[in-house]
Amino acid sequence: NAGVTQTPKFRVLKTGQSMTLLCAQDMNHEYMYWYRQDPGMGLRLIHYSVGEGTTAKGEVPDGYNVSRLKKQNFLLGLESAAPSQTSVYFCASSYRGGGRGIAEAFFGQGTRLTVV
Amino acid sequence: KNQVEQSPQSLIILEGKNCTLQCNYTVSPFSNLRWYKQDTGRGPVSLTIMTFSENTKSNGRYTATLDADTKQSSLHITASQLSDSASYICVVRGSQGNLIFGKGTKLSVKP
Repeated sequence: NAGVTQTPKFRVLKTGQSMTLLCAQDMNHEYMYWYRQDPGMGLRLIHYSVGEGTTAKGEVPDGYNVSRLKKQNFLLGLESAAPSQTSVYFCASSYRGGGRGIAEAFFGQGTRLTVV
Repeated sequence: KNQVEQSPQSLIILEGKNCTLQCNYTVSPFSNLRWYKQDTGRGPVSLTIMTFSENTKSNGRYTATLDADTKQSSLHITASQLSDSASYICVVRGSQGNLIFGKGTKLSVKP
């Protein structure tokens, strides 16, 4: 059982370049999330999806786009990378969790992105 | 504003000693609170979840407490091991279902 898998694990981009981060989960989870983690900061939500074909903005969506064409995959795109987007990116997935919202979020291992 | 504050920011203890990490939150209405462990270079992994009706819950050497009145939670680690060295993150589910992360406490266990 692979859980949540992120590719690539590391990447260095030049300013202005574009790239796509792929997140795949094999747990049949409805919800998927993209977070970024910066030194001294908690994880911050970039975008999330509550189901196939749907996406929504999180706390820090500017400069990113996402797509969820298949339930198991959630893609994060950077159209024109900036040094401020240097960070560690985490993907997570969860079940809907019912009315109490107790669903646990399962995280991938992270993608370390450096924009120079 | 929904916030989660953790203390201390970092902590160094000797192997075998106990320690307690603190989490204060201002999220309302409150649904649940989770403690996650994040090893260096890895994604966070859930240790325990606390709902408003629970005061204490244990998971091996980890014991979490919750005081919903004062909006405080603690994570107590007993008989620490070198493998406990990690960041411990308090996560509260907010009023709109979103997850609000604390900045974490970085724990270092020394031999």
